Amino acid sequence: QVQLVESGGGVVQPGTSLRLSCVATGFTFRSYAMNWVRQAPGAGLEWVAVVSYDGRNKYYADSVKGRFTISRDNSKDTMYLQMSSLRPEDTAVYYCARGALYCSEGSCYPFDQWGQGTLVTVSS
Amino acid sequence: SSELTQDPTVSVVLGQTVRITCQGDSVRTYYANWYQKKPGQAPVLLIYGKNNRASGIPDRFSGSISGNTGSLTITGAQAEDEADYYCSCRDRSGDHMLFGEGTKLTVL
Repeated sequence: QVQLVESGGGVVQPGTSLRLSCVATGFTFRSYAMNWVRQAPGAGLEWVAVVSYDGRNKYYADSVKGRFTISRDNSKDTMYLQMSSLRPEDTAVYYCARGALYCSEGSCYPFDQWGQGTLVTVSS
Repeated sequence: SSELTQDPTVSVVLGQTVRITCQGDSVRTYYANWYQKKPGQAPVLLIYGKNNRASGIPDRFSGSISGNTGSLTITGAQAEDEADYYCSCRDRSGDHMLFGEGTKLTVL
């Protein structure tokens, strides 16, 4: 069955960096766009970034643009999120989710598979 | 506007019908997708497109749209439906995904 497993979270100080990973199993990873979505404590879901199936196209939320970099290695069925210049407001559970920013005839591709998330805490 | 607006809280009596709404300019162009989120668990896709239930989702969940408002309806709410519900829609610019602020559903 499809499985997405995130790792790499932890407690870090403001201004530092951290890299998250998401390992995919149970489907043809290289055929799907992938996303990072986060949820801060007591807050709602926030889309962070998307990478196309081949890694060529990447888009970011305004809140992380210029600080976070999404990437993937299809030979390892793994997606990454390199986070730099971390801020306390980046504290959240980070989920990887399968899905594309693609719409056709009014219907948009959903995020149909999600990992269990990894917690990132930015605190001094 | 590039936002999706949801009511923060909604309640329903066990077995009754409840509608959760999602309002925004993007919903005029794209159908909203709907997710259920319970504490400590990953989000779960419920409804996508015009009114398509994801695999394994009970048929008491359905979706609809009117103008710039998308709706998730639960017909015959169950205790296990108590959760947070999020709508999601692509931004009209095409390079961002939006989530609504979420609606906390209480089943009385």
